[in-house]
Amino acid sequence: GAGVSQSPSNKVTEKGKDVELRCDPISGHTALYWYRQSLGQGLEFLIYFQGNSAPDKSGLPSDRFSAERTGGSVSTLTIQRTQQEDSAVYLCASSLPLAGGRRSYNEQFFGPGTRLTVL
Amino acid sequence: AQSVTQLGSHVSVSEGALVLLRCNYSSSVPPYLFWYVQYPNQGLQLLLKYTTGATLVKGINGFEAEFKKSETSFHLTKPSAHMSDAAEYFCAVSGAGGYQKVTFGTGTKLQVIP
Repeated sequence: GAGVSQSPSNKVTEKGKDVELRCDPISGHTALYWYRQSLGQGLEFLIYFQGNSAPDKSGLPSDRFSAERTGGSVSTLTIQRTQQEDSAVYLCASSLPLAGGRRSYNEQFFGPGTRLTVL
Repeated sequence: AQSVTQLGSHVSVSEGALVLLRCNYSSSVPPYLFWYVQYPNQGLQLLLKYTTGATLVKGINGFEAEFKKSETSFHLTKPSAHMSDAAEYFCAVSGAGGYQKVTFGTGTKLQVIP
């Protein structure tokens, strides 16, 4: 597609329920990232995928959070037993394969986010 | 370890006035520095980046930023604000090469007053 897409755009759930958030990266982007944006907190890194593997999942805040990626494309972020403090905007970004070299960088392209509200 | 501090969560300027959004960083390695813009209900868009070379970098929409190593700063400027510049701006830092986690600041909301 033309850009990174995320679904749903808004999700309201009750405390204790599980939710799944979906990210469709730009075609050909093998690197994929999940971030959480809370009011006044900036962007908090959650997890990084290269292909289907997640070499950096250091930002997942608890074992209630998990993510997977299949076929090197779509990714799903799952939050189990949601809590009110999970309410935030969850952003997904993708980039081209990360090149080696000391000064390489690939621009991350962001989706519009999923706004999660836990009542 | 790396971090970013953005001074001022809200900044208001008059249309046509200078825009100055401040960013200071901390990094244990030579940094890459970025400014992103987020319009309401949209994702983040890269405005500009510093990786190497010239310390004054120009981005889209007339914005520019200067990397000052001695001051550990990367302030964002625009000579004349437009109404369309109203958005939230994020400064970010990462290390160099391959996969490097990007650390974002808490953001500055820019209001442009007609």
